[in-house]
Amino acid sequence: QSVLTQPPSVSGAPGQRVTLSCTGSSSNIGAPYDVHWYQQLPGAAPKLLIFGDINRPSGVPDRFSGSKSGTSASLAITGLQAEDEADYYCQTYDTTLSGWVFGSGTKVFVL
Amino acid sequence: QVQLQESGPGLVKPSETLSLTCSVSGVPMRSASYYWGWIRQPPGKGLEWVASIYYSGTTSYNASLKSRVTISVDTSKNQFTLKLSSVTAADTAVYYCARHDGHSYGHYYFKYWGLGTLVTVSS
Repeated sequence: QSVLTQPPSVSGAPGQRVTLSCTGSSSNIGAPYDVHWYQQLPGAAPKLLIFGDINRPSGVPDRFSGSKSGTSASLAITGLQAEDEADYYCQTYDTTLSGWVFGSGTKVFVL
Repeated sequence: QVQLQESGPGLVKPSETLSLTCSVSGVPMRSASYYWGWIRQPPGKGLEWVASIYYSGTTSYNASLKSRVTISVDTSKNQFTLKLSSVTAADTAVYYCARHDGHSYGHYYFKYWGLGTLVTVSS
């Protein structure tokens, strides 16, 4: 049971916009600690998608954007593409657990 | 280019100790101020941070595993190692090593990852 809650799945048609949520508490996201997002394609290692709430590493398309408010964070994917079908995880630090934590993960389906 | 590669036995018997090594290339661990960590993923499940170590030897452990986990670093070999004792089937997972980037506990993220290695606990 993760301290960061993510919806199990989200779906959208190609070209649409989808939003993934990550809900935490005052001991993690609301502390406030930075939220980071990872994309995991089937059979592959996770890949950093967003760091520091809103920043994209070099090479990540600007279709991906992050935001944070209070004890929640969101990842938006605009212009959804078939290659975006993957698992997405949020991650931050938790002061109560004194460690880094991942969300439960959201599977994005492209219809 | 920073690269990480996990190595170790793919099969461990219950009650024994799992031992994995992460070999780092592209950056000298002894002169680079980074945390290095292990993350695991049971088959079909999500990611779980296991442990991390600073290049100087300072360690951080997942509280739920702390009594069984040891992480160490050998900067002369540019490697760091994970040991997990008294394993059970619940420890079966893909184990990833990764480098923390950022500037403090509340800001660290995992920028570079190894490909991962599957460790199965079974007799």
